[in-house]
Amino acid sequence: GQQLNQSPQSMFIQEGEDVSMNCTSSSIFNTWLWYKQDPGEGPVLLIALYKAGELTSNGRLTAQFGITRKDSFLNISASIPSDVGIYFCAGQRPLNNNDMRFGAGTRLTVKP
Amino acid sequence: DVKVTQSSRYLVKRTGEKVFLECVQDMDHENMFWYRQDPGLGLRLIYFSYDVKMKEKGDIPEGYSVSREKKERFSLILESASTNQTSMYLCASHAPGPEKLFFGSGTQLSVL
Repeated sequence: GQQLNQSPQSMFIQEGEDVSMNCTSSSIFNTWLWYKQDPGEGPVLLIALYKAGELTSNGRLTAQFGITRKDSFLNISASIPSDVGIYFCAGQRPLNNNDMRFGAGTRLTVKP
Repeated sequence: DVKVTQSSRYLVKRTGEKVFLECVQDMDHENMFWYRQDPGLGLRLIYFSYDVKMKEKGDIPEGYSVSREKKERFSLILESASTNQTSMYLCASHAPGPEKLFFGSGTQLSVL
């Protein structure tokens, strides 16, 4: 099945820097989700977006649902060492609640 | 909080062995999923179940089967393990309402 195009694949940043990552697809999605996976753990939901154009924040995290419904981005401001992990975008297709597609992930490394 | 428990964090098996990966959720969710996670490929859906004894193939079901005899338990079976099934396996449970998946901590399977 079609996966989402997530970029960048990895990032190495200094503590305090801002981070931006995005996902795109040729298909429309009803819902966009952003997950974080800590080493040795399963992904945990960070932000869920339900409407085109929606901009949602969760602490230092901000995510947007693209107006075309084919893309989303996640920003992390003022990064800290515990932001380290793999970030996944996921999109839920229309008409099928079980059809969730995942990006390949962005591996974030934060240097103190 | 939803708890999704995978019985093993690490497994090492030999080629040709029959392997069982177990997953239990404690929130009476109807939908449960098995994904595998590989570097650069993200999460790919193997099978999902929307009710007891009901199952549907995901994107990569070949070489796998599943069992859902009780609502809280969803098992992934590798009938004859092969080296290309070495991967991280993630179980997830689906909450009603807003589309969200709750993941277990994963089972890292190595097939030698």
